[in-house]
Amino acid sequence: DAGVIQSPRHEVTEMGQEVTLRCKPISGHDYLFWYRQTMMRGLELLIYFNNNVPIDDSGMPEDRFSAKMPNASFSTLKIQPSEPRDSAVYFCASSPWTRRETQYFGPGTRLLVL
Amino acid sequence: GENVEQHPSTLSVQEGDSAVIKCTYSDSASNYFPWYKQELGKGPQLIIDIRSNVGEKKDQRIAVTLNKTAKHFSLHITETQPEDSAVYFCAAIPDSGGYQKVTFGTGTKLQVIP
Repeated sequence: DAGVIQSPRHEVTEMGQEVTLRCKPISGHDYLFWYRQTMMRGLELLIYFNNNVPIDDSGMPEDRFSAKMPNASFSTLKIQPSEPRDSAVYFCASSPWTRRETQYFGPGTRLLVL
Repeated sequence: GENVEQHPSTLSVQEGDSAVIKCTYSDSASNYFPWYKQELGKGPQLIIDIRSNVGEKKDQRIAVTLNKTAKHFSLHITETQPEDSAVYFCAAIPDSGGYQKVTFGTGTKLQVIP
């Protein structure tokens, strides 16, 4: 298996622009997670899905952030409009039902908002 | 909610020496404790885990110990090698059915000096 795939790996954008991050979870995994990592706050869970349904989005910072999972093999995290404080590394992770506590992380998207 | 504290934040050891990273948790309901290794530019990867019904687990040069009474667990790396240099995260999870939120520690940056 290729593991969790994220794209793009790097994104540089200007404040106010829309940013879309993409994730392909490991095939057969039932859970998908979006995390944000910064030096100040460490790893923060933004939202997670179970069988394509958003379960807990309490970590989403504000209305500028939205996430979708239209099918079992694809998810997006969108920031609109982006702000400099959104600069971070965004990780997608997935886990199977049988070992739902074990998360497999993707390589991350490094976002820089100027 | 759960709170996980991790120490030290940075650790430098000579190649061949041992490294120990310690974590404490607050929620007695937590019963699954994974350790993740994050190399530069990559996502966290699970390296070892332990459940509350076990006091120690080993996998080649790495081992994890758990003291449920004191609510702390530790990662031990013996015969360290330069490729062990990375950031290590502990985590605590209550495994009571369904998905439970993972609480990560703040990370330890390990540097192995050749």
